[in-house]
Amino acid sequence: AQSVTQLGSHVSVSEGALVLLRCNYSSSVPPYLFWYVQYPNQGLQLLLKYTSAATLVKGINGFEAEFKKSETSFHLTKPSAHMSDAAEYFCALNPGGGADGLTFGKGTHLIIQP
Amino acid sequence: EPEVTQTPSHQVTQMGQEVILRCVPISNHLYFYWYRQILGQKVEFLVSFYNNEISEKSEIFDDQFSVERPDGSNFTLKIRSTKLEDSAMYFCASSRTSGGSTDTQYFGPGTRLTVL
Repeated sequence: AQSVTQLGSHVSVSEGALVLLRCNYSSSVPPYLFWYVQYPNQGLQLLLKYTSAATLVKGINGFEAEFKKSETSFHLTKPSAHMSDAAEYFCALNPGGGADGLTFGKGTHLIIQP
Repeated sequence: EPEVTQTPSHQVTQMGQEVILRCVPISNHLYFYWYRQILGQKVEFLVSFYNNEISEKSEIFDDQFSVERPDGSNFTLKIRSTKLEDSAMYFCASSRTSGGSTDTQYFGPGTRLTVL
């Protein structure tokens, strides 16, 4: 069965600093991978997704992620954090092959220090 | 921009009572989903729905759960006899095509269900 692990339930960075949110996956076949963000009292919003077309994926709000098969990772980065980036971030996968449901990690709460 | 909406935002119920959670998916989407997140735990897939029938369901989605698209816009999740462990945030999502593809699932803001 597939799984997603997000290292660090809380990550704190200073405004302007690099953001790095870690995601590792386990899947018997190359999966599709997603990062979602959830702001308070809102639904999950897609940041970016990996669909096997390119290993470096650019998303909204300056975020990007790199798929590394050898490391089974899909870490999310942003060069310079803004206060507005404070939110909950979820990594998720779909194993393909006709499966519908996404498998999520536990989420990482990103805190931005002024 | 079109969005998925859910009502109510909060629902409090007594153990053993039936609850219906409602969702309005994005209008041109064909696939609909329910997920739940128990406090402090992962978001978990419950069920997907296409062409008026269940497409896929997880082990969590047992006989106490049911889904329905009663009209052209609403998508509902019914829990027949609620248990304390059903307390969670329930998310509805929709996509234009199957979640098994790379198509994006769009999520609603969730309904927080509290079972007393």
